[in-house]
Amino acid sequence: GNSVTQMEGPVTLSEEAFLTINCTYTATGYPSLFWYVQYPGEGLQLLLKATKADDKGSNKGFEATYRKETTSFHLEKGSVQVSDSAVYFCALGGMTTDSWGKFQFGAGTQVVVTP
Amino acid sequence: SQTIHQWPATLVQPVGSPLSLECTVEGTSNPNLYWYRQAAGRGLQLLFYSVGIGQISSEVPQNLSASRPQDRQFILSSKKLLLSDSGFYLCAWKKVRLGPEAFFGQGTRLTVV
Repeated sequence: GNSVTQMEGPVTLSEEAFLTINCTYTATGYPSLFWYVQYPGEGLQLLLKATKADDKGSNKGFEATYRKETTSFHLEKGSVQVSDSAVYFCALGGMTTDSWGKFQFGAGTQVVVTP
Repeated sequence: SQTIHQWPATLVQPVGSPLSLECTVEGTSNPNLYWYRQAAGRGLQLLFYSVGIGQISSEVPQNLSASRPQDRQFILSSKKLLLSDSGFYLCAWKKVRLGPEAFFGQGTRLTVV
């Protein structure tokens, strides 16, 4: 079945450091891929998405590229801020419109950015 | 614009007590609705989804049930809570015409004691 594996946290960084969170997936076919972010005490917010191979999703300085050959969707940000402290979830979406919304989530990676 | 509301935000319930969590979506019609759970130390797991009033699909066997009495209302229930029902419950909605992403509520943190 489909699955998502992302690097374990917590990841602790200093402000302005470079952030990478690795995410790989296993799926039959070509699912849509997502990064969701959960700030402390809040629900999930969509950070970015990619719907086909070689697509690059980007938002708020974060980027991730859908790599079919390595089945990966790594999240990167060049210069993190304290406000980026959160838990980041990589997710694989359903491959048909009927199954959109039925996500397979990774375990989540906690990121802590210190001043 | 569309919004999603979940309540309550936090809940502490004794083992064996009933549960009712409510989720309401505004600003759209006939959305697909979802309940996810985030248990401590684990990822998010899809519990139920609904494509219309009265239509509920369960993804995993469990102590919980879901209902959709109105188009934009989704309720998660239990007759008798277990300790293992503790977790963070998230409701989500989507519309196919808006693309493959879903939009999540603020969540309910349930602690069963």
